[in-house]
Amino acid sequence: DAGVIQSPRHEVTEMGQEVTLRCKPISGHDYLFWYRQTMMRGLELLIYFNNNVPIDDSGMPEDRFSAKMPNASFSTLKIQPSEPRDSAVYFCASSLHRGGRNQPQHFGDGTRLSIL
Amino acid sequence: GQSLEQPSEVTAVEGAIVQINCTYQTSGFYGLSWYQQHDGGAPTFLSYNALDGLEETGRFSSFLSRSDSYGYLLLQELQMKDSASYFCAVRLNRDDKIIFGKGTRLHILP
Repeated sequence: DAGVIQSPRHEVTEMGQEVTLRCKPISGHDYLFWYRQTMMRGLELLIYFNNNVPIDDSGMPEDRFSAKMPNASFSTLKIQPSEPRDSAVYFCASSLHRGGRNQPQHFGDGTRLSIL
Repeated sequence: GQSLEQPSEVTAVEGAIVQINCTYQTSGFYGLSWYQQHDGGAPTFLSYNALDGLEETGRFSSFLSRSDSYGYLLLQELQMKDSASYFCAVRLNRDDKIIFGKGTRLHILP
């Protein structure tokens, strides 16, 4: 079974440009999470979805960030306009919720984003 | 606020045993997870404790004491491939929302 697929793997762009990160969760998984990882702040949860519906976006840093999940197999995280402090590794993860029991989150390989 | 505390770095010798501690203060608690991340890689799930006590999975064990808001990851028979960062993570609710500690970088000496 294919894991979580993220694209692009690397993105380098100039400040002010729009950035779109993409994620395809594991088929059948009903939860999708977006994280950002930096040396200073560690691994931060930005937003998560359940059955394509955003449940908690309290981690989204600013209005410049937005996330969508138009269907069960695709999600995007958009930054517009981008700033150098947005440089980080962005991870997408998915999990399958089963009756309240913990299910591990499966992470994609991440997108390494550099804003110049 | 939410806080998870774990040492930033630990060094151990190949073949030895190492324990990585984690203390937490969170608004909710459903369980404690551990994830491993190699340099340049993605976090991968290692273990989960919802109840007090020890869970063993091969060379790795994880312990939880809810009354002390404390847990640890125990790695035995260390191998060079265990060199990585290890994150404790608290599950905050039934939705599997988790928050991560800053991670412990494990260095293994031959």
